[in-house]
Amino acid sequence: QQQVKQSPQSLIVQKGGISIINCAYENTAFDYFPWYQQFPGKGPALLIAIRPDVSEKKEGRFTISFNKSAKQFSLHIMDSQPGDSATYFCAASASGSRLTFGEGTQLTVNP
Amino acid sequence: EAQVTQNPRYLITVTGKKLTVTCSQNMNHEYMSWYRQDPGLGLRQIYYSMNVEVTDKGDVPEGYKVSRKEKRNFPLILESPSPNQTSLYFCASSLLTGGLGGYTFGSGTRLTVV
Repeated sequence: QQQVKQSPQSLIVQKGGISIINCAYENTAFDYFPWYQQFPGKGPALLIAIRPDVSEKKEGRFTISFNKSAKQFSLHIMDSQPGDSATYFCAASASGSRLTFGEGTQLTVNP
Repeated sequence: EAQVTQNPRYLITVTGKKLTVTCSQNMNHEYMSWYRQDPGLGLRQIYYSMNVEVTDKGDVPEGYKVSRKEKRNFPLILESPSPNQTSLYFCASSLLTGGLGGYTFGSGTRLTVV
């Protein structure tokens, strides 16, 4: 039973384009929504995170958009670069309880 | 350098042969966790520990054991590995419970059980 559903499974974007990865959740108690980035042969690393009291958080080229009523959140990568090619995971937790991850999205940015 | 160290990186074993994957962190984190990563399934939590001698089951604990005798170490034990435990395993630690503020992950252990 996957509590966090992530799409698409894979994504190919041209250099300079916008990459968008979406996640949906069911548990309304979730109050922490991080995104992790994983390069081949490495462990995931925290990229950006959001709490439900804001609708958007931006760090450089990476933006999380959060829609509490729809129980959805998404990661936008502006001006995508080949170095952004990686697997991205969304996740969610409630009040510091166990973090539940989505299925992952393999992003390829073509030069 | 703050890090989580897992060993070994790669392991091929036979069904039923007990094995241990070690995990050590140097950040004085209280919260540690084991995940397995499988294609299309993302990262699923196996076990977690909130402090020394405090461990609990995650989402997929069957066939695994853990111990937390020291704050820095959190080994994963497979007492009788089976082929369905072939996977990529990650140890992670965080300052706050449940990965709040961010997990630091190890580099992973790729396990093949034949």
